Amino acid sequence: DAGVTQSPTHLIKTRGQQVTLRCSPKSGHDTVSWYQQALGQGPQFIFQYYEEEERQRGNFPDRFSGHQFPNYSSELNVNALLLGDSALYLCASSPLAGANTGELFFGEGSRLTVL
Amino acid sequence: GENVEQHPSTLSVQEGDSAVIKCTYSDSASNYFPWYKQELGKGPQLIIDIRSNVGEKKDQRIAVTLNKTAKHFSLHITETQPEDSAVYFCAASIRGGTYKYIFGTGTRLKVLA
Repeated sequence: DAGVTQSPTHLIKTRGQQVTLRCSPKSGHDTVSWYQQALGQGPQFIFQYYEEEERQRGNFPDRFSGHQFPNYSSELNVNALLLGDSALYLCASSPLAGANTGELFFGEGSRLTVL
Repeated sequence: GENVEQHPSTLSVQEGDSAVIKCTYSDSASNYFPWYKQELGKGPQLIIDIRSNVGEKKDQRIAVTLNKTAKHFSLHITETQPEDSAVYFCAASIRGGTYKYIFGTGTRLKVLA
């Protein structure tokens, strides 16, 4: 049973560019959350998708947007990249909303470097 | 706003000794407190969690305690082993959120053989 998979694992962009990161949740999970982890910091909640809609959002600007597909996979898009967007972007999936076990299953992340 | 403070930022212990990491949260509505372990190049992995209706929970060498009144919770690792070396994060649920957590800044634990 594959866990949470993310792509790409590493990428380098320049300021002002746009980036798309992808995530496939763990089998049986329908809720996907995205977190940003700056170097030496804890993960920060960006937003969460369920039933193809953004359900919850953290304190991130509109440059950060996302999408969830019918197969529960998800994308994170960041426009007009800033140097400060350099971070590890973590995708986490969780079981069906009704289960609410609390546990998030994280992928290994996509490390974004903005030059 | 919501905040979770975590201490210490780094911790070195001899193999076989115990390690304790402490966190404080600000939102009295938080009711779920997970602990995650992150190894180099990996995503965080849940190691233990506790809900607000419980004061202590233990799983083999790992235990978590919660003091709701003081808004403190702690991770205790006994009989540490080199493979326990990693970064540990505490987290607290956010008011009105589902699977939405605020994380501490992490503790880098080194277990010296």
